[in-house]
Amino acid sequence: DADVTQTPRNRITKTGKRIMLECSQTKGHDRMYWYRQDPGLGLRLIYYSFDVKDINKGEISDGYSVSRQAQAKFSLSLESAIPNQTALYFCATSDSGKGFEQYFGPGTRLTVT
Amino acid sequence: EDQVTQSPEALRLQEGESSSLNCSYTVSGLRGLFWYRQDPGKGPEFLFTLYSAGEEKEKERLKATLTKKESFLHITAPKPEDSATYLCAVQAGTGGFKTIFGAGTRLFVKA
Repeated sequence: DADVTQTPRNRITKTGKRIMLECSQTKGHDRMYWYRQDPGLGLRLIYYSFDVKDINKGEISDGYSVSRQAQAKFSLSLESAIPNQTALYFCATSDSGKGFEQYFGPGTRLTVT
Repeated sequence: EDQVTQSPEALRLQEGESSSLNCSYTVSGLRGLFWYRQDPGKGPEFLFTLYSAGEEKEKERLKATLTKKESFLHITAPKPEDSATYLCAVQAGTGGFKTIFGAGTRLFVKA
């Protein structure tokens, strides 16, 4: 089984709809992250959480919100989706005791029409 | 401004033809430089962390090196299965948590 899982893997939604992307991990890591990837731009950090009670905005948090339901679960919400949020979304984890190297899930391809 | 630039954008090699990928960075207080491999339709896979200039790490046909301004990922005698996008990222030491990714180098290795 994969250490970091994301659901759904693919999603098509309409402008204005609320959508939630979910991430679960079995690595036992305390830190979790959400990134989006766009062609030619590289990965950009949306939100990160260093433990269950710690939530921080990243580089591009506008239009997004997150919830850390447990150490192993971190979800990303788009309150009112817009077309320029069409992208590949990745969840990642890291262990605070082992540096900043991150372990990524398989990604969610989101299309907003 | 903190920045990571990878070159070339794409690289086509014949099997066995060694080459290097470049990652240039400007960042306040480097806490680590990372290399990841990303296959199509998958998430990035961690390869190496480098912490200080002069450090080197090796894994199979890959060797990563670090200077004060750039990192190289050397690929020796590549095989078709090395075809992937290679991502470089830096961890900045100031301004809170900040990981900056480059746009990547797409590597194609032909048999």
